[in-house]
Amino acid sequence: SQQGEEDPQALSIQEGENATMNCSYKTSINNLQWYRQNSGRGLVHLILIRSNEREKHSGRLRVTLDTSKKSSSLLITASRAADTASYFCATHSGYSTLTFGKGTMLLVSP
Amino acid sequence: DSGVTQTPKHLITATGQRVTLRCSPRSGDLSVYWYQQSLDQGLQFLIQYYNGEERAKGNILERFSAQQFPDLHSELNLSSLELGDSALYFCASSADLWTAGEQYFGPGTRLTVT
Repeated sequence: SQQGEEDPQALSIQEGENATMNCSYKTSINNLQWYRQNSGRGLVHLILIRSNEREKHSGRLRVTLDTSKKSSSLLITASRAADTASYFCATHSGYSTLTFGKGTMLLVSP
Repeated sequence: DSGVTQTPKHLITATGQRVTLRCSPRSGDLSVYWYQQSLDQGLQFLIQYYNGEERAKGNILERFSAQQFPDLHSELNLSSLELGDSALYFCASSADLWTAGEQYFGPGTRLTVT
């Protein structure tokens, strides 16, 4: 079963707009990671946030984590057409492996 | 380029057949993970090897098996293939055992079972 569930399932925006994706999970975690997947290709790691962190930035990416609500959000600012991809959250708990959600498909139109 | 390589890129085979997917991890990474991605199930973890030993098992069918060789490359064997096994199969690698850090994904093998 999926640990993380992304919302929305799909998002369509214009270039220059911000995109926000959310991830909810069920059990306590060590860390939460976001990955990007371009159509049919391998996943690329974007950012990792630990359970004791609340916010993290990397370039145009901003990730927040609220462990009390068991949720995280990924914000992509000033989006570009090249940001079109699927975005997955993955949670790491205990000594287990990563558990991925089903992803949010982001379409950025020029 | 993640540094993880997978062969072949595409594989088309018939039901009942057996195939072997190959993965070479990033240089220096000791952990190798196999995932299956399909439209209905999403990205499912199958199995992890660390330095030649099986370390964790996920939703891997009994018809599937894997191994990691002394040179750290890994193979995923799928047998008695069914139509439902059609999917993208990804290999990922990481440096550590407990997977707390990021994983580096290969480009995947697209398996089509006809």
